[in-house]
Amino acid sequence: AQSVTQLDSQVPVFEEAPVELRCNYSSSVSVYLFWYVQYPNQGLQLLLKYLSGSTLVKGINGFEAEFNKSQTSFHLRKPSVHISDTAEYFCAVSDDPGGGADGLTFGKGTHLIIQP
Amino acid sequence: DTAVSQTPKYLVTQMGNDKSIKCEQNLGHDTMYWYKQDSKKFLKIMFSYNNKELIINETVPNRFSPKSPDKAHLNLHINSLELGDSAVYFCASSRQGLYNEQFFGPGTRLTVL
Repeated sequence: AQSVTQLDSQVPVFEEAPVELRCNYSSSVSVYLFWYVQYPNQGLQLLLKYLSGSTLVKGINGFEAEFNKSQTSFHLRKPSVHISDTAEYFCAVSDDPGGGADGLTFGKGTHLIIQP
Repeated sequence: DTAVSQTPKYLVTQMGNDKSIKCEQNLGHDTMYWYKQDSKKFLKIMFSYNNKELIINETVPNRFSPKSPDKAHLNLHINSLELGDSAVYFCASSRQGLYNEQFFGPGTRLTVL
């Protein structure tokens, strides 16, 4: 069984400051990791994913994440946030490389609040 | 063009009613999913379906049933709606071999009165 823990339910940050959203996972097999963003009243949009290879993954909107197998973490970072980054961020894991019949397992989400 | 679409966007109904939510994807994907997002924003898989098998999360009541008229559609039918069914329901799709990268619809907010 796999699980995802997002320890911070809410993270307030001042505009133009850096941010890190934490994600830890547990799985008994190889994992594939994802970060999704949900803007207010919208669906989920893929920010970035880790499948294999380089542990530093770059995504859209200036976000990046680093896969750390020893710490079972996949933290999301951005060096300078903007008001428009205010949203809910979800970390997700899959152990299925073949298309995901079991679906994704999501963390409980982190609400990123950008303060002017 | 919308990749994954859902209708309706909002659905308000009385307890005990039967309702359906429609989902369509134009991405040519093999697998479709339904997720439920509760009031605390927690997302949980309900079903996944491709043309070979339906996988049901064991915690989903049998009042919920997915119906797939063709490869591009996976509708969610709910019988005897209960207050606890109020949530946002998301449809998603993916293609086998793409490491489960899923594309999500905009969601349907269901309110049961």
